[in-house]
Amino acid sequence: DQQVKQNSPSLSVQEGRISILNCDYTNSMFDYFLWYKKYPAEGPTFLISISSIKDKNEDGRFTVFLNKSAKHLSLHIVPSQPGDSAVYFCAASPNAGGTSYGKLTFGQGTILTVHP
Amino acid sequence: GAGVSQTPSNKVTEKGKYVELRCDPISGHTALYWYRQSLGQGPEFLIYFQGTGAADDSGLPNDRFFAVRPEGSVSTLKIQRTERGDSAVYLCASSPSGGGYGYTFGSGTRLTVV
Repeated sequence: DQQVKQNSPSLSVQEGRISILNCDYTNSMFDYFLWYKKYPAEGPTFLISISSIKDKNEDGRFTVFLNKSAKHLSLHIVPSQPGDSAVYFCAASPNAGGTSYGKLTFGQGTILTVHP
Repeated sequence: GAGVSQTPSNKVTEKGKYVELRCDPISGHTALYWYRQSLGQGPEFLIYFQGTGAADDSGLPNDRFFAVRPEGSVSTLKIQRTERGDSAVYLCASSPSGGGYGYTFGSGTRLTVV
């Protein structure tokens, strides 16, 4: 049962253009969402997050949008740079409190390639 | 150290053997997590420690897997009677106090069972 899904295994974008990575979830208990970036042979690195009380969070070139009714979030990178080429993971965490707090459920990842 | 340290970075073992994977979290982080990442998949939760105690071990796949954190700092993931299906990258993360905030991952241990 895949509770967090990234349906696009890969995405190829030209440098300077916008990259849009998508993520869907099924568990309505999720209320905190994160995006991680991963280079080969390294651990995932935190990129940006959003709480369910918001629908948008922006940090420099990165913006995350959350549509709670559709259980969908997306990461926008603009402008895309070759150094953004990596695997991007969407992750979700349930409500605060209880022993499951902080347990992340990850999607399968999307490989982003930004061409010069 | 400044980050989460995992040793060894690579481990090759024979089927049926016992292995230990070590995680040294960021100093002062009370929460520690283990995840497993199989090829082409995202990390999957294994176990979460708050201090010395396992607050949530619901992700451990079976009783061959066990983890400890005796002094609330370094943690060891132990796998008995390894199977080829255990081959994966084992990731450790720590955070200041639990929750999805401030998670920092280590580079992982790539375990190969032959």
